[in-house]
Amino acid sequence: DVKVTQSSRYLVKRTGEKVFLECVQDMDHENMFWYRQDPGLGLRLIYFSYDVKMKEKGDIPEGYSVSREKKERFSLILESASTNQTSMYLCASSFGTGFSYGYTFGSGTRLTVV
Amino acid sequence: GDSVTQMEGPVTLSEEAFLTINCTYTATGYPSLFWYVQYPGEGLQLLLKATKADDKGSNKGFEATYRKETTSFHLEKGSVQVSDSAVYFCALSGNTNAGKSTFGDGTTLTVKP
Repeated sequence: DVKVTQSSRYLVKRTGEKVFLECVQDMDHENMFWYRQDPGLGLRLIYFSYDVKMKEKGDIPEGYSVSREKKERFSLILESASTNQTSMYLCASSFGTGFSYGYTFGSGTRLTVV
Repeated sequence: GDSVTQMEGPVTLSEEAFLTINCTYTATGYPSLFWYVQYPGEGLQLLLKATKADDKGSNKGFEATYRKETTSFHLEKGSVQVSDSAVYFCALSGNTNAGKSTFGDGTTLTVKP
């Protein structure tokens, strides 16, 4: 089975800190995604990547950046954490450029910014 | 653009009841359709999928049929268990958005013994 591993389940950071959320997948998937999930707002796409060193903005990229230096790893960076970035962050991956493959999600990182 | 509308929750059922969670979609072309399940404190898991009209996806007693004429993909289960309590997301992935998925808002299901 494909596994997507997010480095932390729970994280508490201070306002203004630079925060790194790491995601690693072990099945050679081309596509990787970062979402945030908030009550009443559903899943919102932050950034995605279709290849190494490639990134595209999703629906809510402001305040975030990403890095994909290796195919298996996709990092989400909060340049200067703010309290409104307190959320559940979900990483996902999928195979190929076709659209009939579903996503494999990680377990999520619940980030609290104080 | 693409969109997915799910029946609003929360839904509360007794054990062994019949479950239906409605999902309709708007998309150009012929999207693939998915149901995901999220258990408390976890990420989403792919539950089932269908890639063309009249396909039926099934898994763990859950079923959904891709109905192009009604643009629907309703999730059903004949007899729910307490362990089915979770949030269910309907999603589509279309050939016009390069493989990105569009998700519904999720429907919370609680099954009582």
